[in-house]
Amino acid sequence: DAGVIQSPRHEVTEMGQEVTLRCKPISGHNSLFWYRQTMMRGLELLIYFNNNVPIDDSGMPEDRFSAKMPNASFSTLKIQPSEPRDSAVYFCASSQGLAFQETQYFGPGTRLLVL
Amino acid sequence: AQTVTQSQPEMSVQEAETVTLSCTYDTSENNYYLFWYKQPPSRQMILVIRQEAYKQQNATENRFSVNFQKAAKSFSLKISDSQLGDTAMYFCAFTIGGTSYGKLTFGQGTILTVHP
Repeated sequence: DAGVIQSPRHEVTEMGQEVTLRCKPISGHNSLFWYRQTMMRGLELLIYFNNNVPIDDSGMPEDRFSAKMPNASFSTLKIQPSEPRDSAVYFCASSQGLAFQETQYFGPGTRLLVL
Repeated sequence: AQTVTQSQPEMSVQEAETVTLSCTYDTSENNYYLFWYKQPPSRQMILVIRQEAYKQQNATENRFSVNFQKAAKSFSLKISDSQLGDTAMYFCAFTIGGTSYGKLTFGQGTILTVHP
């Protein structure tokens, strides 16, 4: 079975541009998580969904960030407008459910560089 | 608040030798799961091993095993017969029960280098 799929793998953009990151969770998984990884702050949970519904977006840094999950097999994380401090690796992860014993499986990440 | 501490920023080991990565955590919950994830240079986060807090028996996955000391809130990872492919950053993490969802709390990571 395919793992979590993320696209693009690398993104270079200029400050002020809109950036859209995409994620396809593992088939049959009901929960989806977006993380950001930086040297300074480590791994941060941005937002998570359960059954396509956003449950907690308290980790989203600013209104410039938004996430959607229109169906069970697709989610997007959008940054508009982007800023250099948004440069990071963004991970999507999925799990079968939200119970604490469920393992989260991560995608390969999108490395974003904002110039 | 839930916290995870990995006190070793970097470690190195010779190929075929054994290395132990340390992790301590803090939570007031009694029921939780502990995880070790590996992040190689490709940056993919890969699950290495997991342990339920209620199980006394330490988890083992091939060359990877844990030493879980619940009273001490310690969860170390032992890698036996180290291989070059084990070179990666290793993250300790846990999720707690009794809440609405299993939020992963991560440590800062330990960079492990395996030398030939």
